[in-house]
Amino acid sequence: GENVEQHPSTLSVQEGDSAVIKCTYSDSASNYFPWYKQELGKGPQLIIDIRSNVGEKKDQRIAVTLNKTAKHFSLHITETQPEDSAVYFCAASIVGSQGNLIFGKGTKLSVKP
Amino acid sequence: EPEVTQTPSHQVTQMGQEVILRCVPISNHLYFYWYRQILGQKVEFLVSFYNNEISEKSEIFDDQFSVERPDGSNFTLKIRSTKLEDSAMYFCASSPAGPHNEQYFGPGTRLTVT
Repeated sequence: GENVEQHPSTLSVQEGDSAVIKCTYSDSASNYFPWYKQELGKGPQLIIDIRSNVGEKKDQRIAVTLNKTAKHFSLHITETQPEDSAVYFCAASIVGSQGNLIFGKGTKLSVKP
Repeated sequence: EPEVTQTPSHQVTQMGQEVILRCVPISNHLYFYWYRQILGQKVEFLVSFYNNEISEKSEIFDDQFSVERPDGSNFTLKIRSTKLEDSAMYFCASSPAGPHNEQYFGPGTRLTVT
């Protein structure tokens, strides 16, 4: 079945710097790739997603890139702010499934003022 | 902004007891999901539900688990006889558009089995 690997597990950046989190997936049939942000004590919040027919998507300071050939996708956060500090999860959903998401292990991002 | 809500936020139960975790999905959503997250581990899919029936379930979702939409607003997860290893954070999610579309998660219920 699908397996999603996420790196790094922790990431510390200075405010204003960029942060990049990378994920790889194993099943080439995966076609939907959301990213979630989880703050302490809260549920995962969808921040951006991308489908397999698109190579890049941007929403203000957040962007996601997808390389189908290499089976990896990345989250890019520019001009980081302390409120970006959280755990970020990538996920993948397989064609033919009922949409169940396979999650990565998460990246704890710390943005230092 | 509409949100998925879950109750209770924390449930403590003894091994062997039955628990029911409750969720109120976003009102115009039709697809519902349960996931769990054991402390320090990945979020894992349990079950998806559409049109009043289970559409997919994982290996974790064995005979001890069941889901129900008893009325037009609630979506419940029942664990019949809890085990220590059922201790986890349980998340409900809902989607307006079904498979391979955005899913919105609730804040979770922390289940502690003693």
